[in-house]
Amino acid sequence: EDQVTQSPEALRLQEGESSSLNCSYTVSGLRGLFWYRQDPGKGPEFLFTLYSAGEEKEKERLKATLTKKESFLHITAPKPEDSATYLCAVQASGSEKLVFGKGTKLTVNP
Amino acid sequence: GAVVSQHPSRVICKSGTSVKIECRSLDFQATTMFWYRQFPKQSLMLMATSNEGSKATYEQGVEKDKFLINHASLTLSTLTVTSAHPEDSSFYICSALTGANVLTFGAGSRLTVL
Repeated sequence: EDQVTQSPEALRLQEGESSSLNCSYTVSGLRGLFWYRQDPGKGPEFLFTLYSAGEEKEKERLKATLTKKESFLHITAPKPEDSATYLCAVQASGSEKLVFGKGTKLTVNP
Repeated sequence: GAVVSQHPSRVICKSGTSVKIECRSLDFQATTMFWYRQFPKQSLMLMATSNEGSKATYEQGVEKDKFLINHASLTLSTLTVTSAHPEDSSFYICSALTGANVLTFGAGSRLTVL
């Protein structure tokens, strides 16, 4: 069974304090690993898709990396507006479905 | 970019009534749409896969007679919660796959059953 585990569950940072979120996964052949951002009471917003180990993608202060067992979302010099829940999901080969982790709730204090 | 519109954003209903939630892909055609349910502080749980012109595929444990899904066109899928009860209160989110294999989500619908 495909599984996604995210850690930590919650993370509090001071503005400018860089850190990383972890997403560990087991999947029967990886088609893609996805990162989303979700604000309270809203639907998830797409950030990145990673397809193969060693791949990296960046967007503003966010950088996502991928290995064969896990993915990291690195946040450099975060700002309060980066506060949100970050969700990781995997898509297995031959499937269109995404399996989500429980997310990491990030709070960035000014 | 691809946009998915979901309506209504909030709905309150009495126990025993039915509620319909609409999900539309605004600027692309979606052969496949997905319906998720999210409990507070929990992950997104896939309820069903909605395929245009055919029956939805439900995940294990999801009652297909309670959660009716219709995908009558390439831009519209609906979820009807039939004979709703308080335990059906939740955040329901639809999503659609774009041509680039990106799952784009609607804003979600908060259902409260009194």
